[in-house]
Amino acid sequence: EVHLVESGGGLVQPGGSLRLSCAASGFTFSDYAMTWVRQAPGKGLEWLSSITGSSDYTNYADSVKGRFTISRDNSKNTLSLQLNSLRVEDTAVYFCARDKTPFYWGQGTRVTVSS
Amino acid sequence: QSVLTQPPSASGTPGQRVTISCTGSNSNIGSYHVYWYQHLPGTAPKLLIYRNDLRPSGVPDRVSGSKSGTSASLAISGLRSEDEADYYCAVWDDSLTGVVFGGGTKLTVL
Repeated sequence: EVHLVESGGGLVQPGGSLRLSCAASGFTFSDYAMTWVRQAPGKGLEWLSSITGSSDYTNYADSVKGRFTISRDNSKNTLSLQLNSLRVEDTAVYFCARDKTPFYWGQGTRVTVSS
Repeated sequence: QSVLTQPPSASGTPGQRVTISCTGSNSNIGSYHVYWYQHLPGTAPKLLIYRNDLRPSGVPDRVSGSKSGTSASLAISGLRSEDEADYYCAVWDDSLTGVVFGGGTKLTVL
């Protein structure tokens, strides 16, 4: 059974940084692209970034390009998202998901950006 | 404002059939497969339809998807109270070089 568990969320001040992680199990991690999606309070789902199985290709939504960095460690079955220069509007629940257009999702981790 | 347009709300009574539309363009729906998700607040979104009209195992056959040109639809028949949730379409977009989600449709079972 595919299992994705996010961690690393919390409260951070504007301009601060945070690193989110996603522990994956139940499938051959390196065989699949992985994706981050978020949902701000009262808003819909927003795709943020995807990375191929071998990390040779990444892409980002314009809203986070240059501030967020996606990466993965296939030896540890872990996906990461480094969040820098955080803004109040980055407040959201962040989901990791398997595949470029997600098949499986984690439960999410909450990030609050506030002074 | 999403590049994929969904109605903000839909409703039906138990047993009825409801459809939710998703309208895009040639750079997304017109060129790529559409996916549909069900999302209850506080939970992980659930894949309902992939590649326009395929159901993952465990999704009942009263749920169906279709696509024509630059539009897609999700249909749920035999509506049940547990179908009350938010529904999103998603597809790759060439212009944005990323996945785009529709704005979401809140389904209410009256």
